[in-house]
Amino acid sequence: KAGVTQTPRYLIKTRGQQVTLSCSPISGHRSVSWYQQTPGQGLQFLFEYFSETQRNKGNFPGRFSGRQFSNSRSEMNVSTLELGDSALYLCASSPGTSEYNEQFFGPGTRLTVL
Amino acid sequence: AQTVTQSQPEMSVQEAETVTLSCTYDTSESDYYLFWYKQPPSRQMILVIRQEAYKQQNATENRFSVNFQKAAKSFSLKISDSQLGDAAMYFCAYRTLYTSGTYKYIFGTGTRLKVLA
Repeated sequence: KAGVTQTPRYLIKTRGQQVTLSCSPISGHRSVSWYQQTPGQGLQFLFEYFSETQRNKGNFPGRFSGRQFSNSRSEMNVSTLELGDSALYLCASSPGTSEYNEQFFGPGTRLTVL
Repeated sequence: AQTVTQSQPEMSVQEAETVTLSCTYDTSESDYYLFWYKQPPSRQMILVIRQEAYKQQNATENRFSVNFQKAAKSFSLKISDSQLGDAAMYFCAYRTLYTSGTYKYIFGTGTRLKVLA
């Protein structure tokens, strides 16, 4: 079974631009969660999508948005990039339908904002 | 709101020795899950071990074991017979129960473990 994939792996953008990151979950998984990882802050939850609906949301500004498609692939968009958005963005997939669901993480997309 | 605290940003251990990583959390809930995740350099994060709060017995996975103290809200990870491949960032995580069709994870800031040959 293929694991969680994320594209692109690396991105360099400038302040004010926007960026779209993609995540393909494990086949059969309907839940995709997004996290921002920065040194000293650990992983901070952005949002979770399940069956094309946002089911959970963290405390990030509206510049961070996402969506999920019918094949469970998910995209995350960040508009009007700021220097502080430089981070490793991780997505994690799980079946999302029962009490215990292990999350499987992708390799991440490293975003650098100049 | 729940919080997870890892007070050791970095730890070192000699190969074949034992090391314990600390994690404390705060919650008002009585049932929940706790996890330790491992993130090797430039590699994907993987689950090391999990503990259900309602279980008194500490979880064990080969060389990895936890010391779960529910009253103290403490969840430490012990790695025995440390190997070079154990070098990684370790994250402690708390997960709520699956209620109302959803749940959420809260992660600590991580502990970087170095294994010395």
